Amino acid sequence: QSVLTQPPSASGTPGQRVTISCSGSSSNIGSNAVNWYQQFPGTAPKLLIYSNNQRPSGVPDRFSGSKSGTSASLAISGLQSEDEADYYCAAWDDSLNGFYVFGTGTKVTVL
Amino acid sequence: QVQLQQWGAGLLKPSETLSLTCAVYGGSFSGYYWSWIRQPPGKGLEWIGEVNHSGNTNYNPSLKSRVTISVDTSKNQLSLKLSSVTVADTAVFYCARVGVGAARPLDYWGQGTLVTVSS
Repeated sequence: QSVLTQPPSASGTPGQRVTISCSGSSSNIGSNAVNWYQQFPGTAPKLLIYSNNQRPSGVPDRFSGSKSGTSASLAISGLQSEDEADYYCAAWDDSLNGFYVFGTGTKVTVL
Repeated sequence: QVQLQQWGAGLLKPSETLSLTCAVYGGSFSGYYWSWIRQPPGKGLEWIGEVNHSGNTNYNPSLKSRVTISVDTSKNQLSLKLSSVTVADTAVFYCARVGVGAARPLDYWGQGTLVTVSS
């Protein structure tokens, strides 16, 4: 029941910049801030970016987020092999009585 | 350091009720909302709902008719019940803390519990 759309995959070589898009609507991204999560196989997701562009303590500054209108983006600069993971955007949706929605997820592969 | 530890039955038959509990250690329990999220094998994340220390809840509209999330503030625990499960409810279930701020980031997560529904 994802209402936020992400590309299924993205890839790059070490050192490259990779960007992941997240497309929503006026009731979610258009009205609320976006968070991003990183997930490695077999582990719980980890908060990577909150409030569109804020990094929690300990997250490398090669990860950055942005938002414009009803879309958001996550950028990974200086891609490293340990960045190979699944990435999910998420935001609150104001429709109905309000609920939290995740993106469809993007698998990042380091070539 | 905030830690979330979760447990519950891992194998259910269709039509049974899923029941999971998540205990919170460290930090404040009453100052936050607490969420449940699930992830079917090989698929993406789905938000189930949330509860605060007063028992106020918000649910995913697609699951609302079958979900109950509750809290036991004396034990710093939250619980999830999902009724009338089917094979489609097979997933890893996570509990998580809803952090401060309008963005409602899920900043601490439990380790996950795999629940399999099979006849």
